[in-house]
Amino acid sequence: SQQGEEDPQALSIQEGENATMNCSYKTSINNLQWYRQNSGRGLVHLILIRSNEREKHSGRLRVTLDTSKKSSSLLITASRAADTASYFCATDSGGYQKVTFGTGTKLQVIP
Amino acid sequence: EAQVTQNPRYLITVTGKKLTVTCSQNMNHEYMSWYRQDPGLGLRQIYYSMNVEVTDKGDVPEGYKVSRKEKRNFPLILESPSPNQTSLYFCASSPLGSGERQETQYFGPGTRLLVL
Repeated sequence: SQQGEEDPQALSIQEGENATMNCSYKTSINNLQWYRQNSGRGLVHLILIRSNEREKHSGRLRVTLDTSKKSSSLLITASRAADTASYFCATDSGGYQKVTFGTGTKLQVIP
Repeated sequence: EAQVTQNPRYLITVTGKKLTVTCSQNMNHEYMSWYRQDPGLGLRQIYYSMNVEVTDKGDVPEGYKVSRKEKRNFPLILESPSPNQTSLYFCASSPLGSGERQETQYFGPGTRLLVL
C-alpha cells in the first residue's frame, strides 16, 4: 500500500508564481524526503526533513512537516519553466529501512 | 564522479527468459534499493539491502530476486519474467545515518523493461 499520497496530482502555473504540493502519510516516520523527477529519468533528492523538525528551507524550496496531521508540504517560490517535473515525497517506515514513495505531483510551469 | 549506474538502460525480452539488471555505486554506501515505477502508482520498493549479505523485501518483491555479495553491486534478477513486470526500474543507494536511519538516496538513470 502507498504510504504517501501527494496532492494535487497535477498542477499548472505561470512562471513566477509559487507552487505548493502536499503529501500525506499513514504511519509514524523518522524522516520525510522530497524528490524531483524529470520525465522518465532518475529521481533527484531535493530536501530531507526529520520528524523533530517543522520547517526547512533550501534555496527556493520550503518544506513543512506536521507530524500530528501526518502531512508535509513543499513550496517552490518564484517558479521557473525549468521546475517543470514530477515531485515525490518519500517516507521511511517499518524500522526506518523500508522507503515508501507517494504517487507524485506533476508540475507544469508555463513560461 | 559519484554515481549509481544501471545496465542495461533498455531491455526487451520474452516471458520466461531469465534476466539480470545490474546496479553499481561508487560512493561506498551501505544501503541499496530497487524500485519499480508504473503510471499512477509512483515508485514501489522491490527489495533493499542494508549491507553486504543483508537483504530484505520491500512492498512488491514477488517475482524478483536480489543479491549483495559486494558493497558496490546490487543486481536485480527476474528468474521468469512476465508481462506484468514491464516497468521502469530504478536502483538507488544511500549512506546510513546514526541508528541506521535513512538518508538521502541517489538514484540511477533507470532501466526500461518490456516483457512480451
